Amino acid sequence: GDSVTQMEGPVTLSEEACLTINCTYTATGYPSLFWYVQYPGEGLQLLLKATKADDKGSNKGFEATYRKETTSFHLEKGSVQVSDSAVYFCALPGGSQGNLIFGKGTKLSVKP
Amino acid sequence: DAGITQSPRHKVTETGTPVTLRCHQTENHRYMYWYRQDPGHGLRLIHYSYGVKDTDKGEVSDGYSVSRSKTEDFLLTLESATSSQTSVYFCAISESFAGVVNGEQFFGPGTRLTVL
Repeated sequence: GDSVTQMEGPVTLSEEACLTINCTYTATGYPSLFWYVQYPGEGLQLLLKATKADDKGSNKGFEATYRKETTSFHLEKGSVQVSDSAVYFCALPGGSQGNLIFGKGTKLSVKP
Repeated sequence: DAGITQSPRHKVTETGTPVTLRCHQTENHRYMYWYRQDPGHGLRLIHYSYGVKDTDKGEVSDGYSVSRSKTEDFLLTLESATSSQTSVYFCAISESFAGVVNGEQFFGPGTRLTVL
């Protein structure tokens, strides 16, 4: 079945460092791809999405490009802030149940 | 923010006791979901509902039951809690099946359940 694999953390960076969180997927066809973010003590919220190959999703300085050749959707940010400390989940639609299939999550901690 | 609340937000209970978690939405969305979040597993679907009284099982449904008697409420029941059900439980809603494809699935704040 469809699945998502993302790098596991935790990832600790200093403020203004570059961030890359790797995500690869296995799916039939070309599903939409998402990055969700979970700030401490909160539920998940959509960070960005891409609905077709070569699309680039972006939000809050984060970017991810849908690469069908490598079945990847890596999350990147050029300069992280302390406020970016959170858990990041790569996800895709789960099919007939209407749910999302999530990666295991990557915890990011940004130090001042 | 989507109007989704979960209650209780924290609960500690003992093995063998029944537990009910409540998800309440004010968005009138048709689809509702229960996920559990565990370290090293991400979020996994427990049960979902596609309308009042219409529910179905997800990936990890054993030991859980659900009910949806009103559009706004989706209850998750652990009939006899076990330590393996210690987890953080998230409710999510979506207006439509197509909405999920567009990333329009909204999550509640979560319930942290500890089974001793």
